[in-house]
Amino acid sequence: QSVLTQPPSTSGTPGQRVTISCSGSSSNIGSNDVYWYQQLPGTAPKLLIYMNSQRPSGVPDRFSGSKSGTSASLAISGLRSEDEADYYCAGWDDSLSGVFGGGTKLTVL
Amino acid sequence: QLRLQESGPGLVKPSETLSLTCTVSGDSVSFTNFYWGWIRQPPGKGLEWIGSIYYDGTTYYNLSLKSRVTISVDTSRNQVSLKVNSVTAADTAVYYCGRIFSGWGPYFDYWGQGALVTVSS
Repeated sequence: QSVLTQPPSTSGTPGQRVTISCSGSSSNIGSNDVYWYQQLPGTAPKLLIYMNSQRPSGVPDRFSGSKSGTSASLAISGLRSEDEADYYCAGWDDSLSGVFGGGTKLTVL
Repeated sequence: QLRLQESGPGLVKPSETLSLTCTVSGDSVSFTNFYWGWIRQPPGKGLEWIGSIYYDGTTYYNLSLKSRVTISVDTSRNQVSLKVNSVTAADTAVYYCGRIFSGWGPYFDYWGQGALVTVSS
């Protein structure tokens, strides 16, 4: 059971905007930054968003992150077939441990 | 170009010790301000943070694994190592090493390709 809570799955059609939520508590999301990863099948995860809303170079601006209180969300606009992947939120808990969400499988219909 | 490569036995017997090495090229584990870490992923499941280490030996561990895990750094070989003691089938996973982007948490900007370790007799 993951410390951070994500929906197991979501879906959208090409061109649509989808959001993935990540819920935590005051000891993790509420007091520390949130990061997001994209994992394509059979590959290592890729850093998508850091420090809640920043994009590493090379990540399209279709991907955006936000945080409010003890929750965070990842938004993907202009959905493409290549966005079909697993998405994970990650953070730090004040109990001195890294934490992950259980992952959300995005299906592009 | 920074590259990380995990290596080690792909099969470990229950109750024995899992040992993996991460060889870093294109950067120095000691001449840098970055932490280095390990994350694992059981087959078909999500990610789990194992821990992280700085070149001076400072470590942070997942509290649920802390009693069985040791992460070490060999600056002369530019390697980071992971040991997990008393393994069970639940330790079967793909193990990733990575460079930590910021701080010492599960924030990898560079990842190894991953090493599958199966615990079985």
